[in-house]
Amino acid sequence: EVQLVQSGAEVKKPGESLKISCKGSGYSFTNYWIGWVRQMSGKGLEWMGIIYPGDSDTRYSPSFQGQVTISADKSISTAYLQWSSLKASDTAMYYCARLRKQWLAGVYYYYIDVWGRGTTVTVSS
Amino acid sequence: QSVLTQPPSASGTPGQRVTISCSGSTSNIGSKTVNWYQHLPGAAPKLLIYSNNQRPSGVPDRFSGSKSGTSASLAISGLQSEDEADYFCATWDDSLNGLFGGGTKLTVL
Repeated sequence: EVQLVQSGAEVKKPGESLKISCKGSGYSFTNYWIGWVRQMSGKGLEWMGIIYPGDSDTRYSPSFQGQVTISADKSISTAYLQWSSLKASDTAMYYCARLRKQWLAGVYYYYIDVWGRGTTVTVSS
Repeated sequence: QSVLTQPPSASGTPGQRVTISCSGSTSNIGSKTVNWYQHLPGAAPKLLIYSNNQRPSGVPDRFSGSKSGTSASLAISGLQSEDEADYFCATWDDSLNGLFGGGTKLTVL
């Protein structure tokens, strides 16, 4: 069974650093993009960025570029999302997800087929 | 504000058919495939429909998807109480940026 298991809830103070994780199992971790998605309380989903663990190719949504760092350790099939200095506005649920691609009429199209259950991050003084 | 527009809420009675819309533009839905997800509180979102109208194995055929132009729809027939959840649409551009709808909360009356 394909699974993405995320690390547990975190409670941090503003200015602290944080790294949350997402461990893949049941598939070849290096062959699929892993994305990160933010959901603030009562709000919709926001795409943060994505990494290809096979070669660490990483792409950020413009809204999150410079705000977070996405990385992966393919030796342990784990992707990471980290902050160097948290803000209260980083309080949210964070999901990791596996991106699949489908070849249709000569073009690749993408979709998430597996999600993690999310990691709650609370930043409060 | 989400790039893809969904109604915030929808409702139906058991057995009914309900549809949820997702509206975008020529640069997203108009040129890419649309995917639909079900999100229950405390659970991981679940893929219901991919590539506009494809159902993953295990998803009941009560769920169906369609796309026309810059809009897409998710239809749920034979509504059941267990279908009460949030539903959202999504697509990805060529730079692998994900675009999401704001989500629709479905209530089974």
